[in-house]
Order: sequence, then C-alpha cells, then structure tokens
Amino acid sequence: GAGVSQSPRYKVAKRGQDVALRCDPISGHVSLFWYQQALGQGPEFLTYFQNEAQLDKSGLPSDRFFAERPEGSVSTLKIQRTQQEDSAVYLCASSLRAPNTEAFFGQGTRLTVV
Amino acid sequence: KNEVEQSPQNLTAQEGEFITINCSYSVGISALHWLQQHPGGGIVSLFMLSSGKKKHGRLIATINIQEKHSSLHITASHPRDSAVYICAVVKAQKLVFGQGTRLTINP
Repeated sequence: GAGVSQSPRYKVAKRGQDVALRCDPISGHVSLFWYQQALGQGPEFLTYFQNEAQLDKSGLPSDRFFAERPEGSVSTLKIQRTQQEDSAVYLCASSLRAPNTEAFFGQGTRLTVV
Repeated sequence: KNEVEQSPQNLTAQEGEFITINCSYSVGISALHWLQQHPGGGIVSLFMLSSGKKKHGRLIATINIQEKHSSLHITASHPRDSAVYICAVVKAQKLVFGQGTRLTINP
C-alpha cells in the first residue's frame, strides 16, 4: 500500500486480556515508531525501531508492553494483561531514515479496555 | 512543564480569518514538525522545519531557532481546516509532541 497501515482500527478488550496491534510501514522505510495518544492529549513516544533493531524503548509504560519488528518491516505492539489505563489510540509512524526526514503516520488503533 | 508548549489550546474563528498557532520548546532540537490530526485519529505531516520559513498553499510555517519558537499560519481559513494541529520536535531520534491546538472554523 501507499501509506502506513494499522490494524485493527478499533479494539475492545476485557481487562486482563492480551492484545496485539499491527503496523505495516511504508515499504523501504527504515525507521518505525510507536506512540500512545490518550484522549485529548498529544501523542507520547513508546518505542523506536531502526530496521529490526529496537533502539529505544524508554517510553514503554510497563513490562506488560512489548514491541517487535523481526524482519525490519511489519511491527507488532503487544500489551499483556490489559488495564483500563491502557485505553488510548496507538499510532505507528515510519520514516525513510530518522525523524529528521518526514514522518508518515497510520490511522491508529483505538484500544478500549473495559 | 512540558518540553513543547502550544498556544492557544483551542481556537474558534470565522471563515476567511488569518490564523496563527504558536509552539515553544525548551530543548535542543534538530527539526520541528507541524502535523494535522482530523477526528478519527489520522495524522498528516504538514511541514518539517529546521530553519526559516516554509509555505504550502494557504499554510505558512516559521521557526526561530534562537528563540525556540515556531508558528503555523493559515491564510483565508476555511471550515475544512478544522482539525487539531500538533507541533512536534525531533529530540534524540524521536518526536516529542505538544498537546495540540483544536481549531474550529465556522462558516
């Protein structure tokens, strides 16, 4: 596809359930970022990949959050034992190199934990 | 205090008005992005700046590195410009976002 694709667009999870969110970046983009956006707030950094290497995971809020990009293209953000405070929009962005180049964002996955 | 502050948080104007949204930051950066977010979550990159001024259609973005300040201007505003505008700075290979400015343009 031409843009960054995220799936699912919407996810409702029961508290305690594990979820997996997928991001397909633009083909050839080296850098991939995950951000978390709470309602009414700006996005906040979660983690950053350069190809398959996770270079920065300082924004992951707890060890229940795990991200991978095993082949340097598609990435998955996994949240284990979801809590209500995990409810947010999860945004994926990719760029050709580092974010000094233009960043392209997906539509996001809206996660609601009930 | 947030590293990136935007003002105003909310802005309502009439169609045709000149719009200015401000962004101040407190950290060293290598670049600054202006982004547009419509209801439903999708974010579109409007500009990436490291110095000076850029123009695209009715949108103009400026940055003053010494003063750590950037502005986004919209000329001849239109209801379709209604969205959240977000300033984000590039710090240590990642984006640090402002809280966003919710712009509403009434016909």
